[in-house]
Amino acid sequence: SQQGEEDPQALSIQEGENATMNCSYKTSINNLQWYRQNSGRGLVHLILIRSNEREKHSGRLRVTLDTSKKSSSLLITASRAADTASYFCATDGNDYKLSFGAGTTVTVRA
Amino acid sequence: KAGVTQTPRYLIKTRGQQVTLSCSPISGHRSVSWYQQTPGQGLQFLFEYFSETQRNKGNFPGRFSGRQFSNSRSEMNVSTLELGDSALYLCASSLDRAASPLHFGNGTRLTVT
Repeated sequence: SQQGEEDPQALSIQEGENATMNCSYKTSINNLQWYRQNSGRGLVHLILIRSNEREKHSGRLRVTLDTSKKSSSLLITASRAADTASYFCATDGNDYKLSFGAGTTVTVRA
Repeated sequence: KAGVTQTPRYLIKTRGQQVTLSCSPISGHRSVSWYQQTPGQGLQFLFEYFSETQRNKGNFPGRFSGRQFSNSRSEMNVSTLELGDSALYLCASSLDRAASPLHFGNGTRLTVT
């Protein structure tokens, strides 16, 4: 079973627009991470936010974490065609594994 | 620095056979994790190794096994293959703890016929 659930399952946007996806989880966490996966390849780590942090930025990425609601969001600003990928949230519950959500597939149209 | 290397990239096997997948972590990384990715189940955790010791195991049958060598390289083995074992098998390494952050290889695509 998966710890996280992502919403929406799929997202299609125009180049230059912002993309927002959400992740909800069930149990307490040490940190929450976001990964990107291009078709048929491995996952690439994007950003990590610790349980005592509320917001974090990295380039065009902004992540928020609300531990009271057990939810996180990932915002990609000024999207580009190269942002077309699947995005996964993953939770670290201090048990030597990451639990991944089902992912959001983002398509950026030129 | 070289990334995580997984071999082979593609594999086709027949039901009942066994298979061994290999993973070389980033130099200096001592933790290696394995995940199975399928369209239906998403990313499922298989196991994690650190300094040759398995620290956690996912909910997979005993047909799935793994090991880690003293140089941190890892292998996973699946015996008596079933059609449902067809998947992308991903290996990931990290410095010390399994979780933060993971560096993934490009995976081994296993097809069971």
